Amino acid sequence: GQNIDQPTEMTATEGAIVQINCTYQTSGFNGLFWYQQHAGEAPTFLSYNVLDGLEEKGRFSSFLSRSKGYSYLLLKELQMKDSASYLCADNNAGNMLTFGGGTRLMVKP
Amino acid sequence: GAVVSQHPSRVICKSGTSVKIECRSLDFQATTMFWYRQFPKQSLMLMATSNEGSKATYEQGVEKDKFLINHASLTLSTLTVTSAHPEDSSFYICSARDFFLAGADTQYFGPGTRLTVL
Repeated sequence: GQNIDQPTEMTATEGAIVQINCTYQTSGFNGLFWYQQHAGEAPTFLSYNVLDGLEEKGRFSSFLSRSKGYSYLLLKELQMKDSASYLCADNNAGNMLTFGGGTRLMVKP
Repeated sequence: GAVVSQHPSRVICKSGTSVKIECRSLDFQATTMFWYRQFPKQSLMLMATSNEGSKATYEQGVEKDKFLINHASLTLSTLTVTSAHPEDSSFYICSARDFFLAGADTQYFGPGTRLTVL
């Protein structure tokens, strides 16, 4: 089975750094995705980790520890437009995504 | 690259009618497309996996006779909600994988279709 947990909501200040955690329990793990979703829109791809470690892409970085079933998305230099839901999803052995409930991030001035 | 379109973006229909939603991969071929449903303030729930040239695979609890999926070509999958009822009102999103792209695990999402059944 698959169980993905992430915080429901987070608040941070413009210009700050925020870390969104995700834990998963899955059979046949085949990678961990992070997507950003603005209200009323479809998700957009942010990152994909299949090996342990940190992947950096500009202001966004994603970390994976397979032994701990743990990932986080790190957002630096927060901007107001970063207010969105962030979805953690694991890719199982069948190459299907299972999404967590999403973390609604609110960036305040 | 990797653009997925959906049509229509919004649809309002009467209870009992059928609605067809199209999902197209615009600049790549997708042997596999996925259909998700998202209710307000909830995450995406996979409904079915659509495979080109074969029958779709439905997730548990999703009625295959109610949600008809056709994947007739490498760039088009359709979802038909038959005899729609108000409880079917939701945000329907498709995604596609680029078969020919190395490391093709990434799914690219369409913009979604908001269905409202009156």
